[in-house]
Amino acid sequence: DTGVSQDPRHKITKRGQNVTFRCDPISEHNRLYWYRQTLGQGPEFLTYFQNEAQLEKSRLLSDRFSAERPKGSFSTLEIQRTEQGDSAMYLCASSLYPGLGGAFFGQGTRLTVV
Amino acid sequence: AQSVTQPDIHITVSEGASLELRCNYSYGATPYLFWYVQSPGQGLQLLLKYFSGDTLVQGIKGFEAEFKRSQSSFNLRKPSVHWSDAAEYFCAVGAEGGSQGNLIFGKGTKLSVKP
Repeated sequence: DTGVSQDPRHKITKRGQNVTFRCDPISEHNRLYWYRQTLGQGPEFLTYFQNEAQLEKSRLLSDRFSAERPKGSFSTLEIQRTEQGDSAMYLCASSLYPGLGGAFFGQGTRLTVV
Repeated sequence: AQSVTQPDIHITVSEGASLELRCNYSYGATPYLFWYVQSPGQGLQLLLKYFSGDTLVQGIKGFEAEFKRSQSSFNLRKPSVHWSDAAEYFCAVGAEGGSQGNLIFGKGTKLSVKP
């Protein structure tokens, strides 16, 4: 399967702990995106990379959140000092730019902060 | 402001019946429009996309959507629904042919299919 993969699929953490998620995009895709989805809502854009450069960050991405894509391949999203409001599904997507193929999503990481 | 509205939160149809899911958008530039489907606990699968040209686009799983600029709509249709179509459907709008990926999503429409 050469789709977008995310790890872990589920994460339960205690409030105040740090967590890190990983995303492996489709190999030829140069753009990688992170979204957050809460219950009953559509995905909300957080940030995106073109190769290793982070080109845009949403105001939803507080200073407790940091994303990296050091070699332009996989990406990590870290949340420091987690809060209960961080509980959500974190989705990664990738696309080829320029191109008309659209963005392809992974299956997401479900974070529960207790 | 850019936005996507899916007026129906939940729709129930009988298996074999036709389906139409509504989507309205507000976007300042030329919109690039998408429909995604999400099964419970899963990521999103791209059903179809509209960039330009023919306003009726065909997608996977027998779905189609029609872009109507005058109505700012991009409704999703299927002539005969199967039980496996039960899922949540999201309409989204983006720029640059969708390759930019920072899409604006609607809140979704949950589809239930009754036997």
